[in-house]
Amino acid sequence: EVQLVESGGGLVQPGRSLKLSCAASGFTFSNYYMAWVRQAPTKGLEWVASITNSGGSTYYRDSVKGRFTISRDNAKSTLYLQMDSLRSEDTATYYCTREVQLLDYWGQGVMVTVSS
Amino acid sequence: DVVLTQSPATLSVTPGERISLSCRASESVDTYLHWYQQKPNESPRLLIKYASQSISGIPSRFSGSGSGTDFTLSINGVELEDLSIYYCQQGNSLPFTFGSGTKLEIK
Repeated sequence: EVQLVESGGGLVQPGRSLKLSCAASGFTFSNYYMAWVRQAPTKGLEWVASITNSGGSTYYRDSVKGRFTISRDNAKSTLYLQMDSLRSEDTATYYCTREVQLLDYWGQGVMVTVSS
Repeated sequence: DVVLTQSPATLSVTPGERISLSCRASESVDTYLHWYQQKPNESPRLLIKYASQSISGIPSRFSGSGSGTDFTLSINGVELEDLSIYYCQQGNSLPFTFGSGTKLEIK
């Protein structure tokens, strides 16, 4: 059974950093692209970033480029999202997803609140 | 960026009805259009892939159609458990984008 379990969320002040983790199991992690998708409170879904299976290429939405870094450790079957220079508009539930142009498995999500 | 426009924003239905939800793309996405269901306080789940392909474990009352810029998600015989928000997503080009969703309400 595919499982994606996020951790690392919380309350952080504007301008500070936070790192999310996603532990994957139930599939061969190193064979799949992965992605982060977020959802602001009462809002819709927004793709944030993707990473190739090797980690050699990464892709970001414009609003997070230069501030967020997606990475992975295939030996640990873990996906990461380093979030720097956080803004209030980054407040959202962040989902880890397995990505094959579509998003076929989702984690339970982790809440990130950016507020002073 | 590809803009996906979903309509209606909210749909109030009676159990047993057959309904159709629309997703229109601002440019062609071929059949790289996928549908997701998000129940209250849950993560989204994949419902239909590549416009019309079914997903294992998803009830057969859900079906999809379309290509290019116009897509439809149909539910043949709505059930109470279908109370959800339905999103379309294009995987044809980055950034991947989602529609704003259609909220299904049960009368």
